[in-house]
Amino acid sequence: DIQMTQSPSSLSASVGDRVTITCQASQDITNYLNWYQQKPGKAPKLLIYDASNLETGVPLRFSGSGSGTDFTFTISSLQPEDIATYYCQQYGNLPLTFGGGTKVEIK
Amino acid sequence: QVQLQESGPGLVKPSETLSLTCTVSGGSINYYYWSWIRQPPGKGLEWIGYIYYTGNTRHNPSLKSRVTFSVNTSRNQFSLKLSSVTAADTAVYYCARDRNTDDAFDIWGQGTMVTVSS
Repeated sequence: DIQMTQSPSSLSASVGDRVTITCQASQDITNYLNWYQQKPGKAPKLLIYDASNLETGVPLRFSGSGSGTDFTFTISSLQPEDIATYYCQQYGNLPLTFGGGTKVEIK
Repeated sequence: QVQLQESGPGLVKPSETLSLTCTVSGGSINYYYWSWIRQPPGKGLEWIGYIYYTGNTRHNPSLKSRVTFSVNTSRNQFSLKLSSVTAADTAVYYCARDRNTDDAFDIWGQGTMVTVSS
């Protein structure tokens, strides 16, 4: 199985801050990576697909980059409604696997 | 717009079989993969497996041979059976549409909590 290592596991930032989350794959997955946002008590929501493509309707402050084994997810200006846990997910190989999640809080 | 809704018992006894159904509304079940994903309380997401509308399936080897998927295209439903459950199978179970081109889960059900307890 491909292991996905996310860091940090949690972070606290102020409104307006730039927030960066990293995801490292245990082997090369080219750009086969998606990012999700999960708010408490809700199902995850797809934000980014193929490492860097913004899903329709997702605010432009969200972005993704990377290829191979190292990926980055960025919120350019943190908003109160962005409080959530964020997950990466690879589809380079089955089984599909997720990172452990990054909980984002407001300072 | 396409919506998914999970249904099934919220409490299952140890060693018994967990059975869930996901109903697809607002669109066709055809031409997509349909996944089951679970999330133990306070933990991360685990992909259980998926079924194509034709009935082809793949599952996560971590669940060994305990998983069975089925699809009913006439009812726009797909189902999960997980046998020999233990407390470790206690989780919120989500059904989700797998967008074939990028294996992205673009539509999710609201999730259903299943507790394994006697």
